[in-house]
Amino acid sequence: EVQLVESGGVLVQPGGSLRLSCVASGFSFSSYTMSWVRQAPGKGLEWVSYIRPGSSTTYYADSVKGRFTISRDNAKNSLYLQMNSLRAEDTAVYYCARDGGSGGEFDYWGQGTLVTVSS
Amino acid sequence: QSALTQPASVSGSPGQSITISCTGTSSDVGGYNFVSWYQQHPGIAPKLMIYEVSKRPSGVSHRFSGSKSGKTASLTISGLQAEDEADYYCSSYTSSGTQVFGTGTKVTVL
Repeated sequence: EVQLVESGGVLVQPGGSLRLSCVASGFSFSSYTMSWVRQAPGKGLEWVSYIRPGSSTTYYADSVKGRFTISRDNAKNSLYLQMNSLRAEDTAVYYCARDGGSGGEFDYWGQGTLVTVSS
Repeated sequence: QSALTQPASVSGSPGQSITISCTGTSSDVGGYNFVSWYQQHPGIAPKLMIYEVSKRPSGVSHRFSGSKSGKTASLTISGLQAEDEADYYCSSYTSSGTQVFGTGTKVTVL
């Protein structure tokens, strides 16, 4: 059974930093592109970033470019999101998601972890 | 990258069919057959319902179908059931190599 379990979400002050983690199980993690998707309270889904299996290729939404860094450790079946210079508008539930195919569809999702940016 | 445009809400009675539209540009929906649809119930992670415009993942009801014409993709739910009441989001691959979601549609079963 495919499982994705996120952690690391907390309350952080504006300008602060945070690292989210996602541990994968039930599939060959190293073979899949992985993404982070977020959802602000009461709002829609927003794609944040993705990383190819070999880690050499990463993409970011304009809203987080230069502040967030996605990475992975295939030996630990883990995906990470380093979040710096956090803003109130980064407050959201952050989901880890597996890219199921060449079209970028997200076929499995974690349960999400809540990041709150507030003073 | 601007969000794809979806109607804020769509409603229908049990047994009826409804269609949700998802309008983008030639740089996303219109340029690729990589449109997917997600169902999200309150407080729960989204679930993939349709991928590559019209393909259904294993386990998804045949009542859900997808199509595309030009820059607009559509999700049709036939034989509407109470459990279909949820938020629905489309998503597309873009010419920038990124993904973009739609604004979301709340489906209400009357």
